[in-house]
Amino acid sequence: DVKVTQSSRYLVKRTGEKVFLECVQDMDHENMFWYRQDPGLGLRLIYFSYDVKMKEKGDIPEGYSVSREKKERFSLILESASTNQTSMYLCASTTGLQETQYFGPGTRLLVL
Amino acid sequence: GDSVTQMEGPVTLSEEAFLTINCTYTATGYPSLFWYVQYPGEGLQLLLKATKADDKGSNKGFEATYRKETTSFHLEKGSVQVSDSAVYFCALRWTGNQFYFGTGTSLTVIP
Repeated sequence: DVKVTQSSRYLVKRTGEKVFLECVQDMDHENMFWYRQDPGLGLRLIYFSYDVKMKEKGDIPEGYSVSREKKERFSLILESASTNQTSMYLCASTTGLQETQYFGPGTRLLVL
Repeated sequence: GDSVTQMEGPVTLSEEAFLTINCTYTATGYPSLFWYVQYPGEGLQLLLKATKADDKGSNKGFEATYRKETTSFHLEKGSVQVSDSAVYFCALRWTGNQFYFGTGTSLTVIP
């Protein structure tokens, strides 16, 4: 079974802090994604990566950056956390040939 | 651009009731269509999918048929259980690697 893990289930940070969210998948998938999930808005794509060191902006990249130094790991970085970044963050992965996305359990981030 | 519109919730049903959650899509071609389910406290997991017109996806008693003529992919189940309580997301994938998700429909099934 494909497994996607996220470094934290719950995280509390202060405004202005730099925040790292880590995602690791164990199935050698090329594509990895970061979404945020908010009530009434569904899932919105922040960034995705289709290869090591490659990244593409999604629909809401402002205030975020990403890093993909190794194929299995995709990090989401909040350079200076703000209260409007309080949300559930979901990581997902898929191969180029496979259409199903596999999701991690999510990280619920609270920025105070 | 590509998008998905799904029925707003929340939906509350009694056990053994019939479920329909509507989903329509906008895409320039023939996307693959998906239903994902999110149980409380968990990430999303694939429920079913269909990759071409008239395909029917099915899993765990849920079904959805890809209707090109109405650009729809409605989710149905004949008899819901309490364990089906979750949030359901309709999604599509067309060109590239990007997926588009609906806003989610919360379902609560009461005994």
